[in-house]
Amino acid sequence: SQQGEEDPQALSIQEGENATMNCSYKTSINNLQWYRQNSGRGLVHLILIRSNEREKHSGRLRVTLDTSKKSSSLLITASRAADTASYFCATEPGSARQLTFGSGTQLTVLP
Amino acid sequence: EAGVAQSPRYKIIEKRQSVAFWCNPISGHATLYWYQQILGQGPKLLIQFQNNGVVDDSQLPKDRFSAERLKGVDSTLKIQPAKLEDSAVYLCASSRQTVSYEQYFGPGTRLTVT
Repeated sequence: SQQGEEDPQALSIQEGENATMNCSYKTSINNLQWYRQNSGRGLVHLILIRSNEREKHSGRLRVTLDTSKKSSSLLITASRAADTASYFCATEPGSARQLTFGSGTQLTVLP
Repeated sequence: EAGVAQSPRYKIIEKRQSVAFWCNPISGHATLYWYQQILGQGPKLLIQFQNNGVVDDSQLPKDRFSAERLKGVDSTLKIQPAKLEDSAVYLCASSRQTVSYEQYFGPGTRLTVT
């Protein structure tokens, strides 16, 4: 079953704009991770945020976590065409020792 | 460091045939995962190994899927017999310790069952 669900399913923006993707989940978690997947490739880890953290930054990426709302957001600033990919959130539920992935947001950055 | 290696990259088989996938994780990574990713969906965990022991195989269709991790390093995933619904990308990943660490993914094997 899907623990995390991303929103929107697809997002198309112009180069230089910011992109925001959201993830909602159902049960309490130990941590939440964001991954990127380029077409036909494996997933690449972007950021891991633990349940006691509220915000993390990595380069042009900013992730927030609101455990009271069971939601997270991924912000990509000043997007580039190379950011075109699918973005997945993955949660580690408190009771389970496995990651559960959502169905992803397909981001298209137009040059 | 070298990444996670998988082979083959592509495989086409007929239903009821068998197929095997191979994975070599990053050196020193204790935990190895096999995921199934159906087109348009996120990866679904099939089996997780910690060294050469199985941690979680609750979503592995054990009547047709099997996996092993030899000497806590390489791993193979086998499907026998394959069904049409097994068409998917099979991803292998590894991490240093438990799942609370980032996972490193291989390029995947795209399986088509006709």
